[in-house]
Amino acid sequence: AQSVTQLGSHVSVSEGALVLLRCNYSSSVPPYLFWYVQYPNQGLQLLLKYTTGATLVKGINGFEAEFKKSETSFHLTKPSAHMSDAAEYFCAVTLDLGSSNTGKLIFGQGTTLQVKP
Amino acid sequence: DGGITQSPKYLFRKEGQNVTLSCEQNLNHDAMYWYRQDPGQGLRLIYYSQIVNDFQKGDIAEGYSVSREKKESFPLTVTSAQKNPTAFYLCASSIRDSYGYTFGSGTRLTVV
Repeated sequence: AQSVTQLGSHVSVSEGALVLLRCNYSSSVPPYLFWYVQYPNQGLQLLLKYTTGATLVKGINGFEAEFKKSETSFHLTKPSAHMSDAAEYFCAVTLDLGSSNTGKLIFGQGTTLQVKP
Repeated sequence: DGGITQSPKYLFRKEGQNVTLSCEQNLNHDAMYWYRQDPGQGLRLIYYSQIVNDFQKGDIAEGYSVSREKKESFPLTVTSAQKNPTAFYLCASSIRDSYGYTFGSGTRLTVV
C-alpha cells in the first residue's frame, strides 16, 4: 500500500536560515506528489506539486521541492525562512492515475515549522 | 470569487446527537472529499464523491454518512455511532481527471 512519511513532526529554524522539510513515499510506481501548508484553524493551501516533467518544482512563497525517484523522496526547501512561514506542512501523494483516477490523496502526518526571530 | 465554503466554523454538540456539517463549492468541480484531522495523525479520508448521486467510503467511514444530491453540495453527517467525533473536519474538491485539491476552511466539531 502506498504511504507517505514525513520525518520530524516539529522543525525549528531561525529566521533567515534554510528550511528543509522531509517527505518520503512508498510506491512501486512514481506517484504524483504535493506539498500543502496549513495555518492555525484554516484549510490547506497548495504550495506546489509534481506530476511529470522537471523534477525540481517551484511553488509559492519561495518554496521548492525536488522529486528523487531513486530515494523515493520529495523534500521541501526554502533558502531563507521568514516568520510568516511558521505553519504546519503536509506532504501528499496520489497513485490513482489515468483511467482509474479517483483523485484521492494520501497525506503524511504533518510537520510543524517553527521560525525563531 | 470561487471557492469552497464550510459552515459553521465552530460547532458544539452533546454526545449522542447527530450533527451535519455543510460543504458548498462554486468551482464547478466534479469531485468532493471529506477528511478528518486529528493532532499528529494528518488527514484521514472519510468519504468522497466523483459525481452526483454517487459516493464511496474512505478509510474511516464508520459513524459518518454523506449525500451528493447536487454538484455543489456534499454535506457530512456525524452520527451518534461515531465514537470519538471531536475533530477538525475539512472538505475539499477537485476537477475530475485532475490532481490536487482546493480546501475549505474547515469546521471544528466539539462533542461534550
